[in-house]
Amino acid sequence: DVKVTQSSRYLVKRTGEKVFLECVQDMDHENMFWYRQDPGLGLRLIYFSYDVKMKEKGDIPEGYSVSREKKERFSLILESASTNQTSMYLCASRLPGVYTEAFFGQGTRLTVV
Amino acid sequence: AQSVTQPDIHITVSEGASLELRCNYSYGATPYLFWYVQSPGQGLQLLLKYFSGDTLVQGIKGFEAEFKRSQSSFNLRKPSVHWSDAAEYFCAVGAADSWGKLQFGAGTQVVVTP
Repeated sequence: DVKVTQSSRYLVKRTGEKVFLECVQDMDHENMFWYRQDPGLGLRLIYFSYDVKMKEKGDIPEGYSVSREKKERFSLILESASTNQTSMYLCASRLPGVYTEAFFGQGTRLTVV
Repeated sequence: AQSVTQPDIHITVSEGASLELRCNYSYGATPYLFWYVQSPGQGLQLLLKYFSGDTLVQGIKGFEAEFKRSQSSFNLRKPSVHWSDAAEYFCAVGAADSWGKLQFGAGTQVVVTP
């Protein structure tokens, strides 16, 4: 069974903390994505990666960075967490190509206090 | 740039009744269209997708969608809803030049009543 695993389901962090969200996929997919999900806004792309050490900004990269040192792992980093980054974060992976299915993790609900 | 509009934020439907969720897209070239479902506490699961060919696409869980280029629409339908269909549904569009990025709509929350 294919799997995208996010390390935490729920996180509570303090304002100003550096936060790491981890995502691991076992499907040998080249492309990995981080989305943010907010009510009424759907999913918005933060960053994506199409190869190890390669990354591209999505639609809302401000306040975030990413790391992809290994093919199976894609980390989202909040350099200095702020309350407006309280959200659901979803990781996804897919093979290259526009018609391939994206597989999603279960999400990390991050609360910044 | 591509965009997706789901006009209905929330739909309530009775169990056994039919369901139709609307999706309109904006994209200059041939779009790659997807419908995903998110059950409570879960990630997103692909229901169906369309690129070319027959404009009526069959998916999992008894869902189908129809692509209408003239209306820039890709509406999702199910003839008879089950209580387990209560979820949030997302329409998404992908573009050939976008490294596989998907642009999602805001989602439609479906509530199923007995």
